[in-house]
Amino acid sequence: KAGVTQTPRYLIKTRGQQVTLSCSPISGHRSVSWYQQTPGQGLQFLFEYFSETQRNKGNFPGRFSGRQFSNSRSEMNVSTLELGDSALYLCASSLTGHTGTDTQYFGPGTRLTVL
Amino acid sequence: EDQVTQSPEALRLQEGESSSLNCSYTVSGLRGLFWYRQDPGKGPEFLFTLYSAGEEKEKERLKATLTKKESFLHITAPKPEDSATYLCAVSISNFGNEKLTFGTGTRLTIIP
Repeated sequence: KAGVTQTPRYLIKTRGQQVTLSCSPISGHRSVSWYQQTPGQGLQFLFEYFSETQRNKGNFPGRFSGRQFSNSRSEMNVSTLELGDSALYLCASSLTGHTGTDTQYFGPGTRLTVL
Repeated sequence: EDQVTQSPEALRLQEGESSSLNCSYTVSGLRGLFWYRQDPGKGPEFLFTLYSAGEEKEKERLKATLTKKESFLHITAPKPEDSATYLCAVSISNFGNEKLTFGTGTRLTIIP
């Protein structure tokens, strides 16, 4: 069974640009969550999508947005990039998104560098 | 405020030297505690889920335990391939929606 895939694996952008990251969940998984990982803050929750609807959201500015398609694939967009947005962006999928009973499986991440 | 704290931040052990990693949490209503392993440049890899105090899970040289306030990841006779960052996460409910809150991890290095 294929795992979670993320594209691209690496990105270099400049301040002010926007970027779109893609995530394909494990087959059959309907929940996709996005996380930002930095050395100082660790893994921080961005948002979760289930059946094309954003169901949960972390404490990030509106420049961070996402969407989910009918095949459960998800995209994350960051507009007006700032230097502080440089991070590893991780996507995780699960069957239901109920973290109390369901395991999240992570992709390899997209390394974003903002210059 | 819900918090997850892992200690130590970094740990260096000789091959075969057993030790424990700690994850303490202050959350209102723990729904589940998860351990993940992360290698450099990769996404976290799932290890264990624990749901109630007193529960234990084992996998090869790793054993995870849970009390009402903390969890331990015990590593017995580690090998160099056990070197990684170990992350702890707790499941909390956010206005009826659930999410994982992660600790900052323990970076484990096993010296041959």
